[in-house]
Amino acid sequence: GAGVSQSPRYKVAKRGQDVALRCDPISGHVSLFWYQQALGQGPEFLTYFQNEAQLDKSGLPSDRFFAERPEGSVSTLKIQRTQQEDSAVYLCASSLRGLYYGYTFGSGTRLTVV
Amino acid sequence: TQLLEQSPQFLSIQEGENLTVYCNSSSVFSSLQWYRQEPGEGPVLLVTVVTGGEVKKLKRLTFQFGDARKDSSLHITAAQPGDTGLYLCAGEKVRDNDMRFGAGTRLTVKP
Repeated sequence: GAGVSQSPRYKVAKRGQDVALRCDPISGHVSLFWYQQALGQGPEFLTYFQNEAQLDKSGLPSDRFFAERPEGSVSTLKIQRTQQEDSAVYLCASSLRGLYYGYTFGSGTRLTVV
Repeated sequence: TQLLEQSPQFLSIQEGENLTVYCNSSSVFSSLQWYRQEPGEGPVLLVTVVTGGEVKKLKRLTFQFGDARKDSSLHITAAQPGDTGLYLCAGEKVRDNDMRFGAGTRLTVKP
C-alpha cells in the first residue's frame, strides 16, 4: 500500500486480556519502529527492527510486551495480561533504510484497557 | 528524563504572530527531524536536518540545526490557524539507528 497501515484502529481490552496489534509497513521498507504515545505526550520508543532482526527492544516497558517481524515485513506488537497503564496510542513507523530517508507513520492503534 | 527537551510545552498565539519552538539535548545527533501531529493521526514529517548549522526553509517554516548538532529550532512566520498541532522533534544519535522523540510543543493559533 501507499502508507503504513495499522490495525485495529481502536481496541478496548479488559484488564488481564492479551492483545495483538498489527503493522503493515510500506513495501520494501527495511526499518520498522514501534512507539507508545500517552495522551498529550510525545511518542516513546518501544522497539526497532531492521528487516526481521529486532535490533533494539530497550523501550519495551515489561516482559508482558513482545514484538515480532518474522518475515521482515508485517510486524505484530503483543501485550500480555494488559494493565490500565498500557492504555495509549501505539504507533508504527517504517523507513526505507534509516533516518536520512524519512519515516512514515501509521495512524496508530488506540488501546484502552478497562 | 527525556533525551530531547522541547520548549515551550504549550504555546497559544494569535493569527499573524511569529513564534519559535526549541529542541535541546546534551547528546549529539547524526540527524534530527521535525514532525507535526494532529489529533487521531500519526506524526507527519516536516523536515530532516543533517549538517551542523544547517538552515532549511519550508514556506513560512524555518528550521535550524545547531552547530554542535545537539539542538534545533523551528520558527514559524505569520502563523495561521492551520498551523495548530503538536510539533515534535526526533533525533537519531550518532552510531545508533533508532529515533527518539521529544515530548512536543502543542501550538494553538487563534483566528
